[in-house]
Amino acid sequence: GQNIDQPTEMTATEGAIVQINCTYQTSGFNGLFWYQQHAGEAPTFLSYNVLDGLEEKGRFSSFLSRSKGYSYLLLKELQMKDSASYLCAVRDSNYQLIWGAGTKLIIKP
Amino acid sequence: DTAVSQTPKYLVTQMGNDKSIKCEQNLGHDTMYWYKQDSKKFLKIMFSYNNKELIINETVPNRFSPKSPDKAHLNLHINSLELGDSAVYFCASSQDWRESVETQYFGPGTRLLVL
Repeated sequence: GQNIDQPTEMTATEGAIVQINCTYQTSGFNGLFWYQQHAGEAPTFLSYNVLDGLEEKGRFSSFLSRSKGYSYLLLKELQMKDSASYLCAVRDSNYQLIWGAGTKLIIKP
Repeated sequence: DTAVSQTPKYLVTQMGNDKSIKCEQNLGHDTMYWYKQDSKKFLKIMFSYNNKELIINETVPNRFSPKSPDKAHLNLHINSLELGDSAVYFCASSQDWRESVETQYFGPGTRLLVL
């Protein structure tokens, strides 16, 4: 079966750095996405990786290793507004997005 | 300007009723999706339409029937609602389901509660 694993919850301090890991086992691979979802709101796109390596976008970076079936989302200079769930999703060989359950990130002052 | 809109935002109804959720996108996208997000926060694809044609139809009870009158609209009709149908239903759209760098844009969600 297809599987996406992420930690259920993480806590970090305002101004710090946090890394959210995602491991996947899917039928084929056509890219990995990270989405942010604030409580009671819709998911919004953060980043996309299809080749190995690091993609940087402002305070957020995403890393991919296809051979290890592994990705992480790195958030720097954490702000209170970064408190949200972070969803990892992989597009499989049928171009279907397989979603993880999300990691709830709690930011403390 | 709302890119992907859904109505209603909240829906509370009795078991056994039939209800519809509407979705519209003004992004000019070719592909639209329906997702169900349960209490454990898993997002599960239900259906996907590309240019009004069904391309993804996951294992969903046939009480759920999508309808796409045109590529800007994808409605979801649910017959004989059950308690387990309570969830948040998200509509989403993307330009082309096969494009490499493709993001999906989500609607605000419809919170369905079946009593």
